[in-house]
Amino acid sequence: NAGVTQTPKFRILKIGQSMTLQCAQDMNHNYMYWYRQDPGMGLKLIYYSVGAGITDKGEVPNGYNVSRSTTEDFPLRLELAAPSQTSVYFCASTSRTGPSTDTQYFGPGTRLTVL
Amino acid sequence: GDSVTQMEGPVTLSEEAFLTINCTYTATGYPSLFWYVQYPGEGLQLLLKATKADDKGSNKGFEATYRKETTSFHLEKGSVQVSDSAVYFCALKTGNQFYFGTGTSLTVIP
Repeated sequence: NAGVTQTPKFRILKIGQSMTLQCAQDMNHNYMYWYRQDPGMGLKLIYYSVGAGITDKGEVPNGYNVSRSTTEDFPLRLELAAPSQTSVYFCASTSRTGPSTDTQYFGPGTRLTVL
Repeated sequence: GDSVTQMEGPVTLSEEAFLTINCTYTATGYPSLFWYVQYPGEGLQLLLKATKADDKGSNKGFEATYRKETTSFHLEKGSVQVSDSAVYFCALKTGNQFYFGTGTSLTVIP
């Protein structure tokens, strides 16, 4: 199992550019999450999904969009990049059944800088 | 709203010292509580969890007890090692969402 994978690892964007952060998991988890981690601020939930075709907003959704067309993939879209979106982005997945219920498995992160 | 408050760092300890990192929470209902650890350049990994009051989570010598009366989930380890140097996050889950504390950086010196 690869677990949760994220691409790219690093990216520099100019203000106003768009990009998609990719996230995939091979554990057949229904629940997937996107977080951003700012220095000294912990993790903030951007969006989450409880299954294919179902997404919902977290604490800080403004400036982002998501889609979930398959169980495996949960891409995060930035439409008009702003310096305030400079952060490290983590994708996570979890199952709601079995011994690992509610254990979040995290990807390695994407470090995004907007200049 | 739901939230987690954890002890600010950074914390520096000598090897074999006792560790406590405080965590308190605010939540409606009955949350599950977690401690995650993050090593440099990596994503978070689950360290331990507790799903109901008075449960004790434990792993790799770390322990935390879910205290409903004090709304706390403090992390403890009796004897830290250099390899425990990392950032530790307290978290809670209510409904479908997780809420994380700001993290406590721990450095253990030989």
